[in-house]
Amino acid sequence: GAGVSQSPSNKVTEKGKDVELRCDPISGHTALYWYRQRLGQGLEFLIYFQGNSAPDKSGLPSDRFSAERTGESVSTLTIQRTQQEDSAVYLCASTPTYNEQFFGPGTRLTVL
Amino acid sequence: GENVEQHPSTLSVQEGDSAVIKCTYSDSASNYFPWYKQELGKGPQLIIDIRSNVGEKKDQRIAVTLNKTAKHFSLHITETQPEDSAVYFCAASGYQKVTFGTGTKLQVIP
Repeated sequence: GAGVSQSPSNKVTEKGKDVELRCDPISGHTALYWYRQRLGQGLEFLIYFQGNSAPDKSGLPSDRFSAERTGESVSTLTIQRTQQEDSAVYLCASTPTYNEQFFGPGTRLTVL
Repeated sequence: GENVEQHPSTLSVQEGDSAVIKCTYSDSASNYFPWYKQELGKGPQLIIDIRSNVGEKKDQRIAVTLNKTAKHFSLHITETQPEDSAVYFCAASGYQKVTFGTGTKLQVIP
């Protein structure tokens, strides 16, 4: 079956613009995670969803970051008024339980 | 919260040699420990995992060991091949929250 997909694969934007990143999880996976990965760095947890609720938003770096999820389906991560330090790869993962995470290919965000 | 430390950050081995990556965790409630391999430009992929009721698990050339008392776990790759070159992440998980290590860049020299 299809894996986790993310779009766009690459996004270049100007400082101050808003961006929306999309994640399509594997069908039936109840939990969905967002991570940020700066160049050469590890995975920084941002937020996770159980169904369409977000029990843990502790990783969101600032109030410019928000995310939502529709049911047990698509999720969008929105970054408002982007800054250069937001440049990174944003990874999404879904899981049927709290075990193995299936990662998407990521969205590479570049803020000029 | 959970804290996962991973060492070394980079590792170079000759093809055919073994590679060992070590991680420690802080939260005794963590009970699931996966290892992920990330190739350039791709998302991480699970390669092996272990649960807290098991001390060792092996899958062909890859093995993971877990010491609950000491709160550390290790990844062992034997007979390394050039295609093993990648970044490897350990992780520790309790209920739903997964904390990743900082990654180890493994280079296998032909």
